[in-house]
Parts: sequence; structure tokens; C-alpha cells
Amino acid sequence: NAGVTQTPKFRVLKTGQSMTLLCAQDMNHEYMYWYRQDPGMGLRLIHYSVGEGTTAKGEVPDGYNVSRLKKQNFLLGLESAAPSQTSVYFCASSYGGGPNQPQHFGDGTRLSIL
Amino acid sequence: KQEVTQIPAALSVPEGENLVLNCSFTDSAIYNLQWFRQDPGKGLTSLLLIQSSQREQTSGRLNASLDKSSGRSTLYIAASQPGDSATYLCAVKHNFNKFYFGSGTKLNVKP
Repeated sequence: NAGVTQTPKFRVLKTGQSMTLLCAQDMNHEYMYWYRQDPGMGLRLIHYSVGEGTTAKGEVPDGYNVSRLKKQNFLLGLESAAPSQTSVYFCASSYGGGPNQPQHFGDGTRLSIL
Repeated sequence: KQEVTQIPAALSVPEGENLVLNCSFTDSAIYNLQWFRQDPGKGLTSLLLIQSSQREQTSGRLNASLDKSSGRSTLYIAASQPGDSATYLCAVKHNFNKFYFGSGTKLNVKP
């Protein structure tokens, strides 16, 4: 009963380094999302995917790239990390995009950029 | 742009009290509203989802209501317990790719 799994759980990077965050879901969901959560700002959508092979920009996409090569996986990449990208990153998925489809979240990745 | 506000930011109550958490939003053209619970260091757990055509949803001791015309939702927790201590977030959805979250209400239920 894994649901949405995010790896790694914690990471510290230096400015300019790159890394990839992995999100995996075992619920056969079509839709997947990447958010960042910052104090006092709520969650903000970075990128999302409505199916295998598709991705699109959300509210705050700059500095991030994503890929959805397999239906169950959604990767978030930081090509050149900046201190402003220090945040907690959450992945979510849903079966569809309709009004009765709840989102299911992973436990997050805590990322610090020094 | 949609703005979602949750007041108060923090709330402390004694065990056993009934309480209400508030969520307000500025654009009433929503698909649904979802209430989440977030424990420290954890992700978001979905509690209740109210579609735009619905007025309320119930699950156990939780009841969520939605008044689209006034841009408000409330989460009612009956007979609060220390295990209810967490941050509660509301989020509104406009379509499959537009979600707006509040900053949350941090609830502490004292034994």
C-alpha cells in the first residue's frame, strides 16, 4: 500500500549543482503534479502531467524541468540549483482531472541549497 | 488570481472541544474544495473533498461545508482529540491544472 513515494527524503546541494527528484505512484493514476511548499505561502504548482509522455508548466516552473517517461514515475530536475529553490517539494497524483478526483500526496523531499 | 486564506493561522483548544476551521477564497468559479491534514515532516492527507455542486461532506467526526457564493468553507471537528493536532490546509481547484492552497491552520489539542 505504497501510494505516492518520493526519493530522496532529504538533500543538501551547493549552488550550481544539479539533481533529480523522483516520484513514483502505484495507483495507476494518469495525473501527476509537483509542488513546492514555502513558509507562509502555501503549496504552489511547479509542473504537472496529464499522462505518460506529457508535461506542462504550472504556476512557478522557472528553474525546473520534468519528465514522465513512464506512467508511474514523474521526475523533477534542477539543472543549476539556486538558494531560492530551498523548499519542501511534494509530488501528488490523481486518477483523473475531474471535480470528484482527490489528490494523493507523497511525504515530501526537503531540499536545502547552500 | 485566486487567493485562499485560512484564519486563524494557529489554534489551541482543550481536548473534547468542538471546533471550526475557516477557509475563504476570492474566486467562486471552482471545481472543488479539498481539506487536507499535514503532520510535521509528512505529506498531505486528504480528509474531505466537496465538489462545487455539493454543500457539505462528512467523514466520522469531520464535517466540511461549502458556500460558493460567499467564498467560504468550514471544517468542523467534533469532540477534538490530541491526535487531531496537525496543520489543516484547504485547497480549491479550478480545473485539472489550477490549484490554490491556503497557508493552513496549525491546530493543537491539549490533553
